[in-house]
Amino acid sequence: AQSVSQHNHHVILSEAASLELGCNYSYGGTVNLFWYVQYPGQHLQLLLKYFSGDPLVKGIKGFEAEFIKSKFSFNLRKPSVQWSDTAEYFCAVNKYSSASKIIFGSGTRLSIRP
Amino acid sequence: SQTIHQWPATLVQPVGSPLSLECTVEGTSNPNLYWYRQAAGRGLQLLFYSVGIGQISSEVPQNLSASRPQDRQFILSSKKLLLSDSGFYLCAWGGQQNTEAFFGQGTRLTVV
Repeated sequence: AQSVSQHNHHVILSEAASLELGCNYSYGGTVNLFWYVQYPGQHLQLLLKYFSGDPLVKGIKGFEAEFIKSKFSFNLRKPSVQWSDTAEYFCAVNKYSSASKIIFGSGTRLSIRP
Repeated sequence: SQTIHQWPATLVQPVGSPLSLECTVEGTSNPNLYWYRQAAGRGLQLLFYSVGIGQISSEVPQNLSASRPQDRQFILSSKKLLLSDSGFYLCAWGGQQNTEAFFGQGTRLTVV
């Protein structure tokens, strides 16, 4: 069965620090990969997605993620975080097919100190 | 453009009462539809998903059921709520060809 692991439950950083949030998935076939963000009091929104092609994916607000197939990983990065990046971040995966469930990780809460 | 509506936003129900949460999608046809439950520290747990009218897949055994009576309508139900059913429920839709999921605003359910 598919599963997604986010090992960092809560990350605390100062503004301008670099960010990397880990995400590993268990499915061995071709996958689609996503990072979602949930700002306080707001609904889930997509940060970036990987379907195929360049394994380095750029998303909104300066975020990027790198798909490393050999490591089953899709880590999220940002070179310099801002206070407004305070939110919960979710990694998700589904199998590369037309009708498939999307499985989410447990989420990482990111707190940025001003 | 596509929109997703989920209601109500908050709900307080007594133990043993029935539940019906409704989700509708506009601006697309034949979407994949999903019900998730979000609990603090546990991420989003997939409860049900549907690839078409009347086609429901259940991911976890529980006190809840789902139905899809129309192409763009997805309903989450229970005959008798338990305290453990309290949580934040999210409906989402996705395209048939490898697209992301788009989420509704969610329903905060408190069973008392």
